[in-house]
Amino acid sequence: GENVEQHPSTLSVQEGDSAVIKCTYSDSASNYFPWYKQELGKRPQLIIDIRSNVGEKKDQRIAVTLNKTAKHFSLHITETQPEDSAVYFCAAKAMNSGYSTLTFGKGTMLLVSP
Amino acid sequence: DTGVSQNPRHKITKRGQNVTFRCDPISEHNRLYWYRQTLGQGPEFLTYFQNEAQLEKSRLLSDRFSAERPKGSFSTLEIQRTEQGDSAMYLCASSPLVSGNTIYFGEGSWLTVV
Repeated sequence: GENVEQHPSTLSVQEGDSAVIKCTYSDSASNYFPWYKQELGKRPQLIIDIRSNVGEKKDQRIAVTLNKTAKHFSLHITETQPEDSAVYFCAAKAMNSGYSTLTFGKGTMLLVSP
Repeated sequence: DTGVSQNPRHKITKRGQNVTFRCDPISEHNRLYWYRQTLGQGPEFLTYFQNEAQLEKSRLLSDRFSAERPKGSFSTLEIQRTEQGDSAMYLCASSPLVSGNTIYFGEGSWLTVV
């Protein structure tokens, strides 16, 4: 099955700095890669996703890049703000695979200090 | 609120007791998932329904766990003879059958086994 590794496990930055979180996956059939943000005691919420037919996707201050050859993808947050503080999870899945589900990384706790 | 709804939100039970959690997915979402999340970990897949059919079960789902979705709408997850290792947050998620790669999580049900 799929295995997703995520680094770092914790990340502390100053407000305004950039943050980068990296994930690797093992199953070459995976072609859908979402990122979820989870605040303390809250549900994981999708913030951005990428499919394997594109290499990069941006949405305001967040962007995701994908390298299918190397089987890794990254989340980039620019101009970080204290409200970005949360746990971020990457995940991978083979799209259109009816019985396949998302496999998550272990998460990165991002702390943005004012 | 048209999001995924779970109850109870918190449950404290004595070891050996049975517990049941309920999930109401987003209406018209055919796919329903159960995940388990422990502190410092990402969500781990337990089981998946498409309508009323349970199509996939993780090896994490021991014989003490059973999930149902009798009419293809709400689902229940029952844990029999609870053990302390069952303490976790149980997350339900749903997605539409069409373009169903994005899954939407509920707020989760926290289980503490004492």
